[in-house]
Amino acid sequence: ETTLTQSPAFMSATPGDKVNISCKASQDIDDDLNWYQQKPGQAAIFIIQEASTLVPGTPPRFSGSGYGTDFSLTINDIESGDAAYYFCLQHDNFPYTFGQGTKLEIK
Amino acid sequence: EVQLVESGGGLAKPGGSLRLSCAASGFNFSIYSMNWVRQAPGKGLEWVSFINSISSHTFYTDSVKGRFTISRDNAKRSLYLHMNSLRAEDTAIYYCARLVAVGIDYWGPGTPVTVAS
Repeated sequence: ETTLTQSPAFMSATPGDKVNISCKASQDIDDDLNWYQQKPGQAAIFIIQEASTLVPGTPPRFSGSGYGTDFSLTINDIESGDAAYYFCLQHDNFPYTFGQGTKLEIK
Repeated sequence: EVQLVESGGGLAKPGGSLRLSCAASGFNFSIYSMNWVRQAPGKGLEWVSFINSISSHTFYTDSVKGRFTISRDNAKRSLYLHMNSLRAEDTAIYYCARLVAVGIDYWGPGTPVTVAS
């Protein structure tokens, strides 16, 4: 089973900032990593697939990078509406596993 | 618009049972594999169970094997999770999620399950 270590668990940003969230896999998962955004009480939204491909509808301020074991989600020019819980998912091997999540607060 | 809406969560006693449902709309439910995923309070997400489109293959995480059963009714566009012998550690928000080639693409908002005496 692949363990995903996501960091930080919590971060605070100011509108206009750039933030990075890291997701490290315990074994090589190629680019089989997705990122999701979830707001309280709402369904999670699929924002990045295959490590770096924006899902249609995802604002271009979001980007993903990485391959193998090290991945990151970057949000440029942070907006208040970006306040949410972000998590990664690996679908390289079964069972699918998740990062512990990052709660992003906007000041 | 793809929508997944879970229901059936609530309070159950240890050893008790619950049946979760997930109503699907906005897509051809019968051709997609589906999953249940849960998140315990203060913890990360955990995959719970998988079922393929025709119910010929099901998988479970070890901690629920023998206690939970996933099923679906394609005519009703519904996914189910029958949970028996519930334990305190099953307390979580349970999410229904659609599976595609690149992983999970759609999620429901979740239904909370609390197991307590």
